[in-house]
Amino acid sequence: DVKVTQSSRYLVKRTGEKVFLECVQDMDHENMFWYRQDPGLGLRLIYFSYDVKMKEKGDIPEGYSVSREKKERFSLILESASTNQTSMYLCASTTGTGTPGANVLTFGAGSRLTVL
Amino acid sequence: QKEVEQDPGPLSVPEGAIVSLNCTYSNSAFQYFMWYRQYSRKGPELLMYTYSSGNKEDGRFTAQVDKSSKYISLFIRDSQPSDSATYLCAMSGGLNTGFQKLVFGTGTRLLVSP
Repeated sequence: DVKVTQSSRYLVKRTGEKVFLECVQDMDHENMFWYRQDPGLGLRLIYFSYDVKMKEKGDIPEGYSVSREKKERFSLILESASTNQTSMYLCASTTGTGTPGANVLTFGAGSRLTVL
Repeated sequence: QKEVEQDPGPLSVPEGAIVSLNCTYSNSAFQYFMWYRQYSRKGPELLMYTYSSGNKEDGRFTAQVDKSSKYISLFIRDSQPSDSATYLCAMSGGLNTGFQKLVFGTGTRLLVSP
């Protein structure tokens, strides 16, 4: 089974702090994603990456950046955290485009971030 | 109007009941339809995956797609307290034109009481 591991389950940060959320997958998947999940708004795509050093903006990229230096690792960075970034952050991965599994996401357990 | 609509619930049923969860959508290009289950404080996990219209059954779960009505359903037979979770529908277009972003519903919270 594919495993997607998010290193931090719960974080509490202060406004203005720089925040790193790390995600690692162990099945050689090409695509990796960062979502945030909020009550009533569902899952919203922040950024995704289809290859090492490649990234694409999702629906809500403002205030976030990402880094993918290795295939298995995808990091989400909040340069200056704000209270409206308090949320559950979910990392996910899929196989390469064009394959039957390309749109089946495997999620990590999530990182719940609170910004005070 | 959202691309995918899903009633947030909560939907409360007694153990053993048949549960029907639904999503409607507006984009006729959607061809792949999924249901994810998410337990509290966990990430979503894939429950059912269907392509185009029709039914798919897996144990107590049946996924149904009606593309003409732009309506998908998940049925749970003999519901158990362990089925208590949030159920998210998700869908995307074809795979042969590069990456197709998944569009999610907001999720329906299901509570099955013993």
